[in-house]
Amino acid sequence: AQKITQTQPGMFVQEKEAVTLDCTYDTSDPSYGLFWYKQPSSGEMIFLIYQGSYDQQNATEGRYSLNFQKARKSANLVISASQLGDSAMYFCAMRGWETSGSRLTFGEGTQLTVNP
Amino acid sequence: GAGVSQTPSNKVTEKGKYVELRCDPISGHTALYWYRQSLGQGPEFLIYFQGTGAADDSGLPNDRFFAVRPEGSVSTLKIQRTERGDSAVYLCASSDPGLAPGTQYFGPGTRLLVL
Repeated sequence: AQKITQTQPGMFVQEKEAVTLDCTYDTSDPSYGLFWYKQPSSGEMIFLIYQGSYDQQNATEGRYSLNFQKARKSANLVISASQLGDSAMYFCAMRGWETSGSRLTFGEGTQLTVNP
Repeated sequence: GAGVSQTPSNKVTEKGKYVELRCDPISGHTALYWYRQSLGQGPEFLIYFQGTGAADDSGLPNDRFFAVRPEGSVSTLKIQRTERGDSAVYLCASSDPGLAPGTQYFGPGTRLLVL
């Protein structure tokens, strides 16, 4: 079984600053993938970034990067140079390649508010 | 459009009624997923199709819920005898299992309200 924990229900950041959204996970799977999604108020889940458990380097996608610390079982999302449009709910999710099939297990999310 | 589409976007029904929610995946994606998202929570897995068959339906909460994908493309989630607790956003996602890491792309969801 997989479990995702996001301990920050809400986060605030000033425009143009960086922000880190926390995610810790638990799994018995030796091989797994971690995903971050953004959900604006419109409701659609937008894929942001992926990190595989055996990837040697931390994933980056534009202003998004993933601070992956395997020994600590954490996969924090870093958003650099925050923009007003980054205000949304952010979900961390994981998939265990061997035991969980194709399902994603999500955390409860972090509501990010970017202030002008 | 090229993304996952879901209809209707909103559905209001009365307790005890039957509802159908439709999902049209990204063209060429053979894998299709249904999730349910209650207010203030993350999505929870319901069912996964690979092609026409349900490869994993272990997330369906009870036998009132059923889903089909007869031609391996469009899927319909069916809920019988709806209850107020079924009120949630139902999300559909699709992926290309042959393209690592099999990222799931979501539709806009159907907001179901059972009165």
